[in-house]
Amino acid sequence: DTAVSQTPKYLVTQMGNDKSIKCEQNLGHDTMYWYKQDSKKFLKIMFSYNNKELIINETVPNRFSPKSPDKAHLNLHINSLELGDSAVYFCASSQDAGSGELFFGEGSRLTVL
Amino acid sequence: GDSVTQMEGPVTLSEEAFLTINCTYTATGYPSLFWYVQYPGEGLQLLLKATKADDKGSNKGFEATYRKETTSFHLEKGSVQVSDSAVYFCALRTSFGNEKLTFGTGTRLTIIP
Repeated sequence: DTAVSQTPKYLVTQMGNDKSIKCEQNLGHDTMYWYKQDSKKFLKIMFSYNNKELIINETVPNRFSPKSPDKAHLNLHINSLELGDSAVYFCASSQDAGSGELFFGEGSRLTVL
Repeated sequence: GDSVTQMEGPVTLSEEAFLTINCTYTATGYPSLFWYVQYPGEGLQLLLKATKADDKGSNKGFEATYRKETTSFHLEKGSVQVSDSAVYFCALRTSFGNEKLTFGTGTRLTIIP
């Protein structure tokens, strides 16, 4: 049973489209995250939710909208996709907001054409 | 603000060589320090951690010592294997209620047989 699972693993789409990536964790953790990894492997946090409440919202275009229906799920919706959105998006979870021990999903590779 | 600086890669070594990947940090207070590893096509995994000065984290033959005087957390392994080929990330989390984990830029390690 995968601890942190993301779908889809690969996503290829045209500029201007809207897409979503889903994430689920079965670890019973309180906190979930979205990270963006660019082609040079640089990892940048986008959002974090603790018990369904947004606690970290980095400087991200408002085309990106996270949604946490419950503490086991954190989805990412992206409107009006741009070329620069192409990246690997990682979902992660941790026991609580104070923990530095994150458990990552396998990533969702988004390619915008 | 908080930051982590890692040695630039890529690093290529022969099997059984000694490995050092340098990591230095800038942070307020007393951060916790981490090394994460990303194997090809996978998400990041926690490799080891240290939460206070002079602590040594270790796992799978890898070690890193939290050096407050030099603000460093260098990763070492005495004898690397081909299976150690991956990207290694140094990270920190400060102790002032900042839930964000700050990552370095990653160092790609390739071990040749």
